[in-house]
Amino acid sequence: KQEVTQIPAALSVPEGENLVLNCSFTDSAIYNLQWFRQDPGKGLTSLLLIQSSQREQTSGRLNASLDKSSGRSTLYIAASQPGDSATYLCAVSFRNYGGSQGNLIFGKGTKLSVKP
Amino acid sequence: NAGVTQTPKFRVLKTGQSMTLLCAQDMNHEYMYWYRQDPGMGLRLIHYSVGEGTTAKGEVPDGYNVSRLKKQNFLLGLESAAPSQTSVYFCASSYRFDGYRGYTFGSGTRLTVV
Repeated sequence: KQEVTQIPAALSVPEGENLVLNCSFTDSAIYNLQWFRQDPGKGLTSLLLIQSSQREQTSGRLNASLDKSSGRSTLYIAASQPGDSATYLCAVSFRNYGGSQGNLIFGKGTKLSVKP
Repeated sequence: NAGVTQTPKFRVLKTGQSMTLLCAQDMNHEYMYWYRQDPGMGLRLIHYSVGEGTTAKGEVPDGYNVSRLKKQNFLLGLESAAPSQTSVYFCASSYRFDGYRGYTFGSGTRLTVV
């Protein structure tokens, strides 16, 4: 069964620090990987989408990398700010999941707190 | 604003009552999904649809039914609500089955069954 794991479950850093969030997945046969942000009591906001043929994507202070062979992705946040405090979710679209194609499987998230 | 709209945003049901959650998207996406989010469990797929008139079961379909009569709408029904269905429900849509161009999520429906 394909699974997505995010470590750590929670992270607290001082403002201005660069940080890395980790995501691992059990099957390298994927279509893509997407990073989301979720604020408390809110919906999911898409941050970055990496297709299986790509190695990384960048948006502002965010950079996401993908290594299919090792089943890993990292989300790098530069110069963190208190406004970055949220839960970050990694989701993988696997090529074959329980007989259905392309269903999105989520990790349980990393809760980030950036202290002023 | 273009995107996925869910109604209602909040609802409290008594055990045994029924209700329907509505999801509407205006991006002309073929694929639509219903997820539930529970503490410690992450998001899990309930049902999904690959096009108008088609639906399929996801990981946790028991106790739910769905319909996709129109391409832009995907309805999630609870026929007889149970406390175990207390959760936050998210609807999502995608352009293609493989998530090409990504997935777009609604803001969620917080459901409490007492």
